[in-house]
Amino acid sequence: AQSVTQLDSHVSVSEGTPVLLRCNYSSSYSPSLFWYVQHPNKGLQLLLKYTSAATLVKGINGFEAEFKKSETSFHLTKPSAHMSDAAEYFCVGAGANNLFFGTGTRLTVIP
Amino acid sequence: NAGVTQTPKFQVLKTGQSMTLQCAQDMNHEYMSWYRQDPGMGLRLIHYSVGAGITDQGEVPNGYNVSRSTTEDFPLRLLSAAPSQTSVYFCASSSGGVQAFFGQGTRLTVV
Repeated sequence: AQSVTQLDSHVSVSEGTPVLLRCNYSSSYSPSLFWYVQHPNKGLQLLLKYTSAATLVKGINGFEAEFKKSETSFHLTKPSAHMSDAAEYFCVGAGANNLFFGTGTRLTVIP
Repeated sequence: NAGVTQTPKFQVLKTGQSMTLQCAQDMNHEYMSWYRQDPGMGLRLIHYSVGAGITDQGEVPNGYNVSRSTTEDFPLRLLSAAPSQTSVYFCASSSGGVQAFFGQGTRLTVV
């Protein structure tokens, strides 16, 4: 079975400090993996995607994620949090004909 | 513009009414799916389709019907709306695990 697990339902950081949102995946093969962000009352916006090319993926707004097969992880990071980063983040996996979602991590940024 | 078009954005229904949420994509994607998003529960899969003429149930299918008569369209029907169906609904499409595209969401309130 394929699945992704977001290890933290809520992460709180101070503005200007690093962000780490954790995602582990389970799959019999290397899936495509994505991070999406959802701001309040908005739709899902793609931050970045991994599709078996480079293992370090750079996305929009200074976010990046590293695919680690040995750890089955795809954690999202950002060196310095900004107030506008406060949102819900979803780790999503995609097989050939399906999508599988993490339950989301709410990021709070403290001024 | 390429993407997923989902309508309406907002809807209020009375208990027992029926309605159809529309979803259309112009990317020739095989896989389309409907999700509902409720506080603290992430996105839950309602129904999905892997191609025209093929649909299947997801995690929470009760009270919803779908059809896939064309590759482009995947409408979601609420047969007899109930307050428990108050939620935000998202349509998504993808192909071959490359990237998932999401509609902007429908905020449905059943009174």
